[in-house]
Amino acid sequence: DVKVTQSSRYLVKRTGEKVFLECVQDMDHENMFWYRQDPGLGLRLIYFSYDVKMKEKGDIPEGYSVSREKKERFSLILESASTNQTSMYLCASSFSGAGELFFGSGTQLSVL
Amino acid sequence: AQSVTQPDIHITVSEGASLELRCNYSYGATPYLFWYVQSPGQGLQLLLKYFSGDTLVQGIKGFEAEFKRSQSSFNLRKPSVHWSDAAEYFCAVRTYKYIFGTGTRLKVLA
Repeated sequence: DVKVTQSSRYLVKRTGEKVFLECVQDMDHENMFWYRQDPGLGLRLIYFSYDVKMKEKGDIPEGYSVSREKKERFSLILESASTNQTSMYLCASSFSGAGELFFGSGTQLSVL
Repeated sequence: AQSVTQPDIHITVSEGASLELRCNYSYGATPYLFWYVQSPGQGLQLLLKYFSGDTLVQGIKGFEAEFKRSQSSFNLRKPSVHWSDAAEYFCAVRTYKYIFGTGTRLKVLA
């Protein structure tokens, strides 16, 4: 089975802190994605990566950055956390082409 | 612009009743279509997908969906709902990226 693992299930941070969300997949997928999920808004794409050291902005990249130094790992970075970044963050991966996404269990981030 | 619409935010059905969740998409070409389910506090799990061929696709947990090009729809159905089907359901389309609908939350009455 494909496994996408997010390092933290719940995270509480303070405004202004630098926050790292880690995601690891074990199926040698080329593509990796970071979404945030908010009630009534569905899933919104923050950043994605089609290859190592490659990144592309999604629909809401402001306030975020990413890093993909190894194929299996895709990190989301909140440079200076703000309260409006309180959300559920979902990592996903897929093979190239039109394949389906495989999701991690999510990280519920609260910024106080 | 490409988009996915799930017009029903909440749906409540009785256990054993049939279910249909609606999904409409906007995209010029034939899209790749997906339905995902999310249980509370969990990530999303793929229920089924449509790439080409037979327009009626079968998925896991007894779900099926029908692609109707003329209506730009990909509705999800289940003949008899179980209490464990209570969850949030997302329709998605893959163009050059994945686009998700805003979800339909299903409540099942015992």
